[in-house]
Amino acid sequence: QSALTQPPSASGSPGQSVTISCTGTSRDVGGYTYVSWYQQHPGKAPKLLVYEVSKRPSEVPDRFSGSKSGNTASLTVSGLQAEDEADYYCISYAGGNILLFGGGTKLTVL
Amino acid sequence: QVQLVESGGGVVQPGRSLRLSCAASGFTFSHYGMHWVRQAPGKGLEWVAVIAYDGRNEYYADSVKGRFTISRDNSKNTLYLQMHNLRAEDTAIYSCAKDYLGGGWELGAFDYWGQGTLVTVSS
Repeated sequence: QSALTQPPSASGSPGQSVTISCTGTSRDVGGYTYVSWYQQHPGKAPKLLVYEVSKRPSEVPDRFSGSKSGNTASLTVSGLQAEDEADYYCISYAGGNILLFGGGTKLTVL
Repeated sequence: QVQLVESGGGVVQPGRSLRLSCAASGFTFSHYGMHWVRQAPGKGLEWVAVIAYDGRNEYYADSVKGRFTISRDNSKNTLYLQMHNLRAEDTAIYSCAKDYLGGGWELGAFDYWGQGTLVTVSS
């Protein structure tokens, strides 16, 4: 199966909101509520931001929110801060006991 | 605190084998599913395999099925990845990751990751 589709890049100015999409099919993103999002800074381990489409671990700021419509999941980062500049990845259960990552999106804070 | 420390990476020729280890501490290892995730240099994340908390179930990405085996020793708090018939495209940093919740590996939610061990497949 192919990786989920994410835009290679996204950008926004401090204080603005940015939404990153993660597009799959009815066999993965569209078929389950098992979508998670990660933030990865260069040279660092990924950090879990969102799981089960829209749930947040307690330590993750509510500036990060997740949603899903049809075969596309989205991560919205509100009130952009300089430290939000990083790579972002989605992952979804794809049936058949397989997990699929998206290709990743590089977020630039202008 | 939770720690995951991988070891066993290195340079290996195509077709050869390698076994990676992930030593876990700071949590009840036997209560959580564990995953291997890899990242080729400059590339994105790729899920490789998962093993249930009790070792009874294991699942693999299509790209490694039949060549890689994930296992665990709960008495040693250690996760393993045995890799056979390695290919150039297996070159990556391999990281172990812990399930966020005690059940439901399908969530794809990992709350702790190791720093990874580099596997280079080259002749």
